[in-house]
Amino acid sequence: DAKTTQPTSMDCAEGRAANLPCNHSTISGNEYVYWYRQIHSQGPQYIIHGLKNNETNEMASLIITEDRKSSTLILPHATLRDTAVYYCIAFSGNTGKLIFGQGTTLQVKP
Amino acid sequence: NAGVTQTPKFRVLKTGQSMTLLCAQDMNHEYMYWYRQDPGMGLRLIHYSVGEGTTAKGEVPDGYNVSRLKKQNFLLGLESAAPSQTSVYFCASSHRTGRKNTEAFFGQGTRLTVV
Repeated sequence: DAKTTQPTSMDCAEGRAANLPCNHSTISGNEYVYWYRQIHSQGPQYIIHGLKNNETNEMASLIITEDRKSSTLILPHATLRDTAVYYCIAFSGNTGKLIFGQGTTLQVKP
Repeated sequence: NAGVTQTPKFRVLKTGQSMTLLCAQDMNHEYMYWYRQDPGMGLRLIHYSVGEGTTAKGEVPDGYNVSRLKKQNFLLGLESAAPSQTSVYFCASSHRTGRKNTEAFFGQGTRLTVV
């Protein structure tokens, strides 16, 4: 299972785009990049995932580099409610093992 | 549609006591997971299952056992609780890779204190 590396914390101004980076240089060809977030002590919530192509849904966009060694989660217009811990995960359905790292604590400020 | 339900939500145990945490999902998911989360830390995988009757060790399996006799249920057991097992426990489930929707859904957590 590929290890992911994320910054420990980031700040973002309310209304601005939040760009959260993730490095996964050892990711294998069958591993997807998943993003989850955890608000306070709630269970994590799924945001988005992708394999090679960039993805967009109603919550966020995921940009994956061509060599797949890194990715960026983009929250286009951050709100105070987006303050959370964001986890980037390299997941392989072959093993089914879903490993969370330490994540990035995003603080959205007024 | 209840999603992922964990029972109980809170529990206080004495050192050496045993207990079982129940995770139930009604989404016909193949994969199920048990995590623990200590204060200020990320989630650590205890055990997981990729199908009925199968289980596998995660990152921190010692002191825990699991069973998945039915597809919809995943049980986490503590045979002899220790204060180091004081934590918040999360259960999750997801479809296997290859299905359209493969995101994991999480329960609301079980706060366990061992005194």
